[in-house]
Amino acid sequence: SFVLTQSPSVSVAPGQTAKITCGGRDIGRQSVHWYQQRPGQAPVVVVFDNTGRASGIPERFSGSSSENTATLTISSVEAGDEADYLCQVWDTNSDHVVFGGGTRLTVL
Amino acid sequence: EAQLVQSGAEVKKAGESLRISCKSSAYSFNTDWIAWMRQTPGKGLEWMGIIYPGDSDTRYSPSFKGQVTFSVDKSTKTAYVQWTSLQASDTAIYYCARRIVGSSGWFTSWFDPWGQGTLVTVSP
Repeated sequence: SFVLTQSPSVSVAPGQTAKITCGGRDIGRQSVHWYQQRPGQAPVVVVFDNTGRASGIPERFSGSSSENTATLTISSVEAGDEADYLCQVWDTNSDHVVFGGGTRLTVL
Repeated sequence: EAQLVQSGAEVKKAGESLRISCKSSAYSFNTDWIAWMRQTPGKGLEWMGIIYPGDSDTRYSPSFKGQVTFSVDKSTKTAYVQWTSLQASDTAIYYCARRIVGSSGWFTSWFDPWGQGTLVTVSP
């Protein structure tokens, strides 16, 4: 089955840029979506279809994808960005939805 | 604004049955698939499957097939997931979410909005 691999944690200082990656075989050929999940809350989509920014999401959030890695980039990180970030694809081979394990963003 | 509101937390014993709900508002319930997800500290977020309210067409993840049953009530715009015999391993937070189809069709789908989650606790 398709597996999405995320680093467990990323730490950045306020104002710096955070890059959160999601690895998967040939992920560049799939549509990748990113969710932000704050503690005790449901996930909220921030980037859809690799590069689309969801409604109400600041321009500081952007997505990109290449051969085996998709990346969520958060520029000028703020304390309020501290959350878990999860990637998701709909695997074309299995016709099943797959989520990455999530990356906890800590703002120092 | 589309919204999904889930039923409240449940505390059950192993072997008991359970049905939790997900009520939609402010969008066309019959024409958008609804997905169910499970979240646990150990396994993270898992996709359980999806149901189309218009005709109750259902797709289950292999991990959940035979373990749960999805259903809908179109008159109340509510989706359900039910268990006939809970196990302690079913302890988790369960989310429903509306499927949004991307520009390139089925395989570009994501989920928005999500319900607030229902915590299910099952004691041995």
